[in-house]
Amino acid sequence: AQTVTQSQPEMSVQEAETVTLSCTYDTSENNYYLFWYKQPPSRQMILVIRQEAYKQQNATENRFSVNFQKAAKSFSLKISDSQLGDTAMYFCALWGTNAGKSTFGDGTTLTVKP
Amino acid sequence: GAGVSQSPSNKVTEKGKDVELRCDPISGHTALYWYRQRLGQGLEFLIYFQGNSAPDKSGLPSDRFSAERTGESVSTLTIQRTQQEDSAVYLCASIPDRGNEKLFFGSGTQLSVL
Repeated sequence: AQTVTQSQPEMSVQEAETVTLSCTYDTSENNYYLFWYKQPPSRQMILVIRQEAYKQQNATENRFSVNFQKAAKSFSLKISDSQLGDTAMYFCALWGTNAGKSTFGDGTTLTVKP
Repeated sequence: GAGVSQSPSNKVTEKGKDVELRCDPISGHTALYWYRQRLGQGLEFLIYFQGNSAPDKSGLPSDRFSAERTGESVSTLTIQRTQQEDSAVYLCASIPDRGNEKLFFGSGTQLSVL
């Protein structure tokens, strides 16, 4: 079974500052992928960043980076230089290669304040 | 098409009625997923189809829920005798093949059961 836990239902940050969203997970698989998705009010899920579990190097995508701690089963998302357009719900997800599907956390609602 | 298309965008129905939700995946994508998202919550896996293999129905919450997919094309999710707790956004996603784990999502169908 796969589980994903996001312990922060809501967070806020001032524009231009940095914020970190937390995620922990559990899986029995050795080969898996981790994701952060963004869901704005439009409901469209947008992939923010992806991490392959067998890679030690943390993934980065422009202002978005992750801190992947495999032994601790932790996968946090850091957003630098926050922008108003970053306001959305953020979901952490785990894809198990054997399971063939993604399991999602309950989400963190992020509000960027001007 | 260019993206995953879902219809209708919004559906209001009366308790006890049947509803049918449609998903048109990206052309060529072999795998298709249905997720349910209750208000303010994460995505709950319902069912997935992979090519001609038997679908993984392990997430369907009751026998009132069923889904079909013809080949690698359109899928329909049917909810019979709708209940108020079925109110949610139903999201569809597709991927090119089982070995490619990045989900491409539609914009969802908002179902409201009165």
